Amino acid sequence: DAGITQSPRHKVTETGTPVTLRCHQTENHRYMYWYRQDPGHGLRLIHYSYGVKDTDKGEVSDGYSVSRSKTEDFLLTLESATSSQTSVYFCAISEETSGNTYEQYFGPGTRLTVT
Amino acid sequence: GEDVEQSLFLSVREGDSSVINCTYTDSSSTYLYWYKQEPGAGLQLLTYIFSNMDMKQDQRLTVLLNKKDKHLSLRIADTQTGDSAIYFCAESPPTGDSSYKLIFGSGTRLLVRP
Repeated sequence: DAGITQSPRHKVTETGTPVTLRCHQTENHRYMYWYRQDPGHGLRLIHYSYGVKDTDKGEVSDGYSVSRSKTEDFLLTLESATSSQTSVYFCAISEETSGNTYEQYFGPGTRLTVT
Repeated sequence: GEDVEQSLFLSVREGDSSVINCTYTDSSSTYLYWYKQEPGAGLQLLTYIFSNMDMKQDQRLTVLLNKKDKHLSLRIADTQTGDSAIYFCAESPPTGDSSYKLIFGSGTRLLVRP
């Protein structure tokens, strides 16, 4: 258990509304990632962070923004949700305590439905 | 572009060996991973292999890497009903920093029949 929690775990929202998903970790990991999981696509990287206030885009970043004002929290925001953003969102961290930044551990996921 | 491919489905009998295959595209990927996902759960890191290795064994799991063919396989010995899940292969192309942005396959659903 890498001490990752995600909130909310489930959310239903309407098209055009803003939505923020939160990823919280308790072990001071430097690297945090947001992925989305859709049938037939596996997981795809949305954004990632390599430190406080340091973020960069992933493969499918359009329509999403992120913020990291504290080491422990990485927020994913959908400024104006669309039905194509209905998905399961996973947060991940890279384990660094043993120098192994290549080991990624995932949170339990947030199921988002945009109606 | 990068694309990791896996077969969609595998069915085996309990006690048999399972072999899940994966092909990846980026020959410079440093690490290759296998993750397991049970229904309604997140992804669990099962094992990974460094690109300069051919094989890695971890209890019932054996990972084989063929860099020439960009082929990765996961063998599960003595498959149990608790092994029923979706298995994801992932590669980690070099990024220029210390982050590892994984590229996932679409997953292989393993069904273990009693």
